[in-house]
Amino acid sequence: EADIYQTPRYLVIGTGKKITLECSQTMGHDKMYWYQQDPGMELHLIHYSYGVNSTEKGDLSSESTVSRIRTEHFPLTLESARPSHTSQYLCASSEYVTGGYEQFFGPGTRLTVL
Amino acid sequence: GDSVTQMEGPVTLSEEAFLTINCTYTATGYPSLFWYVQYPGEGLQLLLKATKADDKGSNKGFEATYRKETTSFHLEKGSVQVSDSAVYFCALILTSYGKLTFGQGTILTVHP
Repeated sequence: EADIYQTPRYLVIGTGKKITLECSQTMGHDKMYWYQQDPGMELHLIHYSYGVNSTEKGDLSSESTVSRIRTEHFPLTLESARPSHTSQYLCASSEYVTGGYEQFFGPGTRLTVL
Repeated sequence: GDSVTQMEGPVTLSEEAFLTINCTYTATGYPSLFWYVQYPGEGLQLLLKATKADDKGSNKGFEATYRKETTSFHLEKGSVQVSDSAVYFCALILTSYGKLTFGQGTILTVHP
């Protein structure tokens, strides 16, 4: 059972607000990821980290930023939320197991910007 | 670049029907292949995986075989249940990076 947590699960906010989506994992994984899932279900990698003080942009350009000060914590921040940011955000971490990597996902945060 | 293509949905079946969801991939190396399932309002759960050619992943009655010659990883289940209604994602990881590449997802609805 993967231990990866996201808070809040649901968030409704007004345009222009600053928000931080929290993601924590207790498995000691070095690699962590943020995905944006649009209403059409497709998943897009927006940020990833290979370890403490490492952050990289993903395949889909995003106005959000991330930080990785501790191994277990990978928060995502939007400085000024807009309706176009309305989406589901999924956090994941990965480890190398026999034969290759495996990713574990949190429950997601559903963000609605009014 | 690497990509995953799933059969278009949605798929609607009656309980106890046979399920196939097709998945093909394009990759520059030798990926590991995965099927993830997403139930309504939840995150993704790993359903099964295969890490090399001819491997068969299986879990909860679902199976998929890694076919290198056809670059495919089709998901099958012999008898679906209403509780299998969910979105299913095929995905690959290239070993050296650990990043997932997803297919577009297939919605499965099973009626009693």
